[in-house]
Amino acid sequence: DQQVKQNSPSLSVQEGRISILNCDYTNSMFDYFLWYKKYPAEGPTFLISISSIKDKNEDGRFTVFLNKSAKHLSLHIVPSQPGDSAVYFCAARPNTGNQFYFGTGTSLTVIP
Amino acid sequence: DAGITQSPRHKVTETGTPVTLRCHQTENHRYMYWYRQDPGHGLRLIHYSYGVKDTDKGEVSDGYSVSRSKTEDFLLTLESATSSQTSVYFCAISDQGANQPQHFGDGTRLSIL
Repeated sequence: DQQVKQNSPSLSVQEGRISILNCDYTNSMFDYFLWYKKYPAEGPTFLISISSIKDKNEDGRFTVFLNKSAKHLSLHIVPSQPGDSAVYFCAARPNTGNQFYFGTGTSLTVIP
Repeated sequence: DAGITQSPRHKVTETGTPVTLRCHQTENHRYMYWYRQDPGHGLRLIHYSYGVKDTDKGEVSDGYSVSRSKTEDFLLTLESATSSQTSVYFCAISDQGANQPQHFGDGTRLSIL
């Protein structure tokens, strides 16, 4: 059973606008959340993370929001650029052990 | 970029043959992982290691075995490959300590005919 879900397989956004990618999880033991970006024929690249003691973390154009009560995670990219076009995976790790659980990914296309 | 090398990068083989994929790291990180990526499934954990000779199963471990005899090397073996194991395989590493992200290699594309 998928513990981390990305319900939107794809998303298209105009260059310069905001991209919002969403992720839901079911396991209340998750306490560390991450976003990865993946280009074709390459491995996933770590983008940004957040621990469960925070509700927001920013790094340049990327902001991750965590809503623990809703078990919901989102990644905001502002402004979106054509080079942001990639597949984005969210991931989560429980507070016991060091396994990471990944969503199925959202393919973002930024239109010039 | 994290120093992770996967070999081979591409492999085509026949059903029933043994296959070994290698992951080599130069970061001296404690944890190493093997994932497979398939359409509609994202990244699924096969096995992981938390130290030399210390390994554990992930969610899709059937048909796979692993070994870690040195900190820097983590091997994934398909004892008798099946067509359902055609996939892209990724190795990842992470350091010990609170909230350490995983870093990934560039993957091995494995086709089993």
